[in-house]
Amino acid sequence: DVKVTQSSRYLVKRTGEKVFLECVQDMDHENMFWYRQDPGLGLRLIYFSYDVKMKEKGDIPEGYSVSREKKERFSLILESASTNQTSMYLCASSHGQKSSYEQYFGPGTRLTVT
Amino acid sequence: AQSVTQPDIHITVSEGASLELRCNYSYGATPYLFWYVQSPGQGLQLLLKYFSGDTLVQGIKGFEAEFKRSQSSFNLRKPSVHWSDAAEYFCAVKTSYDKVIFGPGTSLSVIP
Repeated sequence: DVKVTQSSRYLVKRTGEKVFLECVQDMDHENMFWYRQDPGLGLRLIYFSYDVKMKEKGDIPEGYSVSREKKERFSLILESASTNQTSMYLCASSHGQKSSYEQYFGPGTRLTVT
Repeated sequence: AQSVTQPDIHITVSEGASLELRCNYSYGATPYLFWYVQSPGQGLQLLLKYFSGDTLVQGIKGFEAEFKRSQSSFNLRKPSVHWSDAAEYFCAVKTSYDKVIFGPGTSLSVIP
């Protein structure tokens, strides 16, 4: 059974802290994605990666960075957390070379920044 | 610009009633379209997808969707809703830049 796991379901951090959100997939997928989900806005793409050590900005990359040192792991980093980054963060992965068909999602991390 | 709209923010139906969730997209070429479902506290799960061919596609959990190019729509349907269908539903389109754009979602409540 395909699986995408995220390191935490709930996280509470203080303003200015550096935050790491980890995502691991066991499907040998090439593509991995980070989204944030806010009510009424759907999912918005933060960053994505087509391969190890490769990353591309999505629609809302400001205030975030990513790391992909191994194929199965994609990390989202908030360099200095701010209250407007309080949100649900979803990681996803998919097959294919530069293809974002049928994405498989993790359960999400609900981050609260106080 | 490519976009996906879901006109209904929230829908309530009675158990056993039929369901139709609306989705409209803006995309120049032949779109790749998806419907995902998100149960409370969970990630998204793919219900069905349309790439080409038959415009009526069948998905999991008894759902189907119909692609209508003339209306730029990809509405999701189910003939008889079950209480376990209560969830958030997202329509999505794959863009020419190999990204997926998601709609804002429709929240479905089911009355027993």
